[in-house]
Amino acid sequence: GDSVTQTEGQVALSEEDFLTIHCNYSASGYPALFWYVQYPGEGPQFLFRASRDKEKGSSRGFEATYDKGTTSFHLRKASVQESDSAVYYCALGDYYNQGKLIFGQGTKLSIKP
Amino acid sequence: EAAVTQSPRNKVAVTGGKVTLSCNQTNNHNNMYWYRQDTGHGLRLIHYSYGAGSTEKGDIPDGYKASRPSQENFSLILELATPSQTSVYFCASGEGDSQNTLYFGAGTRLSVL
Repeated sequence: GDSVTQTEGQVALSEEDFLTIHCNYSASGYPALFWYVQYPGEGPQFLFRASRDKEKGSSRGFEATYDKGTTSFHLRKASVQESDSAVYYCALGDYYNQGKLIFGQGTKLSIKP
Repeated sequence: EAAVTQSPRNKVAVTGGKVTLSCNQTNNHNNMYWYRQDTGHGLRLIHYSYGAGSTEKGDIPDGYKASRPSQENFSLILELATPSQTSVYFCASGEGDSQNTLYFGAGTRLSVL
């Protein structure tokens, strides 16, 4: 079945560092890809999506490019802030069952001031 | 503002007891979902619904039932709770279209002793 793999379980950075969180997927069809962010005590929030090969999604300084060739959708940010500390989830839309999302394991990002 | 509201926010249950988790959405979305969140597993889909009166099994439905009596309400029922069902549960709503964007509640932390 379809799946999403996030390589890093935890990432620790200092403010103004560059961020990369790796996301790879395995899917039949042509799924949409998503990033969600979850702050402590809250539910996950939609960050952005990309629906086709080479499309870039972005929001709040974060961005990721849909790469069908490498089946990846890596999250990047040029300069992180302490307020970016959260758990980040990569997800894919079930191509055959619109509305369902399959999530990766999540990456906890901690930013030191 | 449109919202997804879960109740209770915290619940302690005894093994073998019945637990009902409730979810209400004001997004007027057709689809609703129940996920559980566990460290190392991310978010996993338990049950979902396409509209009032409909429930569908997700990826990990064993030990859970769901009920969708109206467009706004979606419940998750544990008839015989077990300690392995200790987790954080999230309800979400979505339009069920190809955009797949989900809107989550704040979660219910369930402990089964």
